[in-house]
Amino acid sequence: EAAVTQSPRNKVAVTGGKVTLSCNQTNNHNNMYWYRQDTGHGLRLIHYSYGAGSTEKGDIPDGYKASRPSQENFSLILELATPSQTSVYFCASGDAGYFGPGTRLTVL
Amino acid sequence: GDSVTQTEGPVTVSESESLIINCTYSATSIAYPNLFWYVRYPGEGLQLLLKVITAGQKGSSRGFEATYNKETTSFHLQKASVQESDSAVYYCALGHYGNEKITFGAGTKLTIKP
Repeated sequence: EAAVTQSPRNKVAVTGGKVTLSCNQTNNHNNMYWYRQDTGHGLRLIHYSYGAGSTEKGDIPDGYKASRPSQENFSLILELATPSQTSVYFCASGDAGYFGPGTRLTVL
Repeated sequence: GDSVTQTEGPVTVSESESLIINCTYSATSIAYPNLFWYVRYPGEGLQLLLKVITAGQKGSSRGFEATYNKETTSFHLQKASVQESDSAVYYCALGHYGNEKITFGAGTKLTIKP
């Protein structure tokens, strides 16, 4: 069974601060994704990656950067966090099937 | 762009009754997308419940079924007799070939009354 883990699971940040959300997968999937989920919306794609060294913009990339230093790890970076980025963030890997447990981010 | 519209929640159903959660889709760049239902149980991560990649086919899992109807662009989720353990949030979604990008519906929160 593929495993996708995220850290931290909960994060409180201040406006203007830098936030890094980490994702690790152990099933050797090439594709990895970052989504955010807000009340009244489905999951919306922020960035994704086809493999180590690759990052692609999703549907709502503004205010976010991504980094894929290895096959296993995919990070989402908020250089200057804003309250509008308060949300639950999900990492996923593989072909549609494997999601992490989510990170709840609150930006004050 | 692509879009998915599903039954707006919350939905409450009594145990052992039947359930249908409606889902319709619009895929602007592909005629026959792949269709999915995901589920998120309380305190857990998102899980793939079922998927269908061929128009006209039916997918099933854990007593749930959904049929890919290309004429009505629908993929409704049904269950004949729900259980309390089915309480969760259900998401309809579509993906293109390779599923690099998946578009999700807003989710339907389902509560089963004992």
